[in-house]
Amino acid sequence: DTEVTQTPKHLVMGMTNKKSLKCEQHMGHRAMYWYKQKAKKPPELMFVYSYEKLSINESVPSRFSPECPNSSLLNLHLHALQPEDSALYLCASSHPNTGELFFGEGSRLTVL
Amino acid sequence: TQLLEQSPQFLSIQEGENLTVYCNSSSVFSSLQWYRQEPGEGPVLLVTVVTGGEVKKLKRLTFQFGDARKDSSLHITAAQPGDTGLYLCAGDNYGQNFVFGPGTRLSVLP
Repeated sequence: DTEVTQTPKHLVMGMTNKKSLKCEQHMGHRAMYWYKQKAKKPPELMFVYSYEKLSINESVPSRFSPECPNSSLLNLHLHALQPEDSALYLCASSHPNTGELFFGEGSRLTVL
Repeated sequence: TQLLEQSPQFLSIQEGENLTVYCNSSSVFSSLQWYRQEPGEGPVLLVTVVTGGEVKKLKRLTFQFGDARKDSSLHITAAQPGDTGLYLCAGDNYGQNFVFGPGTRLSVLP
């Protein structure tokens, strides 16, 4: 069982909807990540938060808006998405000493 | 730009066979990680290799880090259907970022 919890597991939304993906970890990790993964492709980095501050934004469109309310929580707010944004969205946190990534099970997003 | 290549991209074998998958780069990494991902799930960390030439074993899986810390291999002995999945290698760029390889999709047939 993963120690990174993502909700919802599945989400279907229209292009005019506003929704949020949530991620929680209680391992005391201070770096958290959002990745996007399309079918049969590796994960692509979207955002990195380090000590609750956004440290990396990989040129992600503004219709994706990350938020880190505290060291255990990471949100991804979605607005006016396109069908090509349909993908598996993965949250991860990293061990402070080894840098190993621990992934959640992902949120499968479908944009109609 | 750092890139990781993996080979083969796809592999379909019979239960009981042995196999090796490779992860190669022209860049040096501080460490390299292997993950396995099953459909609809997140990647699960299998191992981290840190020292050049290091060999780690995890039951039937043997991982090796190249002497120059640019490449790695994963060898599976007597593959089982439960080994089926996407195997991803990821290089740690001295804590700056992770670089993922494109993955090797393994299918082990009973």
